[in-house]
Amino acid sequence: GAVVSQHPSRVICKSGTSVKIECRSLDFQATTMFWYRQFPKQSLMLMATSNEGSKATYEQGVEKDKFLINHASLTLSTLTVTSAHPEDSSFYICSARDAGVATGELFFGEGSRLTVL
Amino acid sequence: AQRVTQPEKLLSVFKGAPVELKCNYSYSGSPELFWYVQYSRQRLQLLLRHISRESIKGFTADLNKGETSFHLKKPFAQEEDSAMYYCALSGLAAGNKLTFGGGTRVLVKP
Repeated sequence: GAVVSQHPSRVICKSGTSVKIECRSLDFQATTMFWYRQFPKQSLMLMATSNEGSKATYEQGVEKDKFLINHASLTLSTLTVTSAHPEDSSFYICSARDAGVATGELFFGEGSRLTVL
Repeated sequence: AQRVTQPEKLLSVFKGAPVELKCNYSYSGSPELFWYVQYSRQRLQLLLRHISRESIKGFTADLNKGETSFHLKKPFAQEEDSAMYYCALSGLAAGNKLTFGGGTRVLVKP
């Protein structure tokens, strides 16, 4: 099946710094990618929809200036957590849909665990 | 607004026993329902979707529009079925975004 890769898988940073997480579709093109956040023992919450070549669409309550999303190519979307604080510590997961397949199955990355000290 | 509810956070069954994971949804329109599974230390992956109407790893799920449910069932649970299971919903009315339920952890004991 299609593969979605995230990097880094784990990152620890100091409060106030910015962290970038990459999401790549390795063997398919994705015009749309999704970013989720998962707190411990909780479900995945959709943060935003990343659209190639245009602005991301953010879910209600998600600060777009805090979580910057760039989808510069058909295989790469990045999430930048700006001026991170301890409350931003979480597991961030991206997913992508193969633009060339009618089934529309979503493929998930392995997730990136962010710890803000 | 669309919502997916999984009432059980944990299901513990013995190997060979039947297992049923409940999923109820609310959605105004024609939804597409999915079950995703996450095994220990692995990424989330699709288990099955209602439009396929197929059995994967012995699991089946039937969409009941009258009861707005999409329960996942397996007649004989195996130890390798131990995992986290998420019911999810998507639909045109919601821009094809996927909404997840809270998840149910299944533990199959030997």
